[in-house]
Amino acid sequence: GENVEQHPSTLSVQEGDSAVIKCTYSDSASNYFPWYKQELGKRPQLIIDIRSNVGEKKDQRIAVTLNKTAKHFSLHITETQPEDSAVYFCAARKTSYDKVIFGPGTSLSVIP
Amino acid sequence: DSGVTQTPKHLITATGQRVTLRCSPRSGDLSVYWYQQSLDQGLQFLIQYYNGEERAKGNILERFSAQQFPDLHSELNLSSLELGDSALYFCASSPQVAGGSDTQYFGPGTRLTVL
Repeated sequence: GENVEQHPSTLSVQEGDSAVIKCTYSDSASNYFPWYKQELGKRPQLIIDIRSNVGEKKDQRIAVTLNKTAKHFSLHITETQPEDSAVYFCAARKTSYDKVIFGPGTSLSVIP
Repeated sequence: DSGVTQTPKHLITATGQRVTLRCSPRSGDLSVYWYQQSLDQGLQFLIQYYNGEERAKGNILERFSAQQFPDLHSELNLSSLELGDSALYFCASSPQVAGGSDTQYFGPGTRLTVL
């Protein structure tokens, strides 16, 4: 079945540096790739998403890139701030009627 | 606030008991998903309902069941509870109509503690 892998599992960066989280998916029919941020004890919140007809999407300090041929996508956070510290989950889905498959998560720590 | 509500917020019970978790999706959303998140773990997909019908099943135990009612709220029933069932249970909803948004919106979760 569909599988999503995510690396690294933990990531520490200095405030102001960039952070990159990478995900790979197994089902080539996947065409929707959201990223969620989860702070400790809180709900996952969508921070950015990308569809398969787009190679890159940016929203302020956050960007996502997609390589459909290689079946991988990445989250880029620039100018990191302490409030970016959280667990980030990537996910993949085939159609709007299918379940979303989540990666195992990356714990990001931004050191002031 | 995502517009998805879950009750109760916290639940403490004993092994062997049965509990019901409730979820109300965002207005207009037809799909409801349930996830289990154990301590320091990822989001384990349990089950999905679309407009009252079961749509997809994940790693849901036979002791667990769910349903979606005509008003689109959903309930997750957990029975014969074990210590290992202690976790955060999230509900999410999405519109899931053709050409509509794929985005899932998560509720605040129910923290279940089994003693």
